[in-house]
Amino acid sequence: DAKTTQPNSMESNEEEPVHLPCNHSTISGTDYIHWYRQLPSQGPEYVIHGLTSNVNNRMASLAIAEDRKSSTLILHRATLRDAAVYYCILRDVGWSGAGSYQLTFGKGTKLSVIP
Amino acid sequence: GAVVSQHPSWVICKSGTSVKIECRSLDFQATTMFWYRQFPKQSLMLMATSNEGSKATYEQGVEKDKFLINHASLTLSTLTVTSAHPEDSSFYICSARDLNQPQHFGDGTRLSIL
Repeated sequence: DAKTTQPNSMESNEEEPVHLPCNHSTISGTDYIHWYRQLPSQGPEYVIHGLTSNVNNRMASLAIAEDRKSSTLILHRATLRDAAVYYCILRDVGWSGAGSYQLTFGKGTKLSVIP
Repeated sequence: GAVVSQHPSWVICKSGTSVKIECRSLDFQATTMFWYRQFPKQSLMLMATSNEGSKATYEQGVEKDKFLINHASLTLSTLTVTSAHPEDSSFYICSARDLNQPQHFGDGTRLSIL
């Protein structure tokens, strides 16, 4: 899987929007961008994923740069429960659309939310 | 939403014993399950990938005779840590996926070997 780069840590005030960046300059045309988060002492939780277009769901929004070399996870209104390590992961689906289903976790960004 | 249940959540045992961890997909059939290990303040490391009814594929450096994986049904995979020693103490996490769906993770098993 192509490599991603994220800041080690970020802070946000409660009830403010949070923009978590991810650089993936070596992304290929068949790489999906996945975001997971891990709360303390729990397994990772799926947040969102996308390929080229921006995506929205009940948890977050994913903004993907036009050249796909970077993306941003947007939490519209941070709560204390959003304090977690956020992982940006590329998954290559291959030209057949199947590809490897493995996820390679980097160090992620530790988000702290200040009350 | 999809739920993956992992059991037990926490286990302490003596050195030399074997420990079995179960991973179940509760509301979908998991064609593939994954086992990860996470040491304190580190990221998740993939140990092995298992497809229902076939042998697991282990990552480099993971001893297949030490970490036995069984994926006998579409909803259950087990990881057995055989003859566990203190260096096997870690947080073990499973995940499961169905076709065209993201991976969903269990809440992990904290294993402490005395």
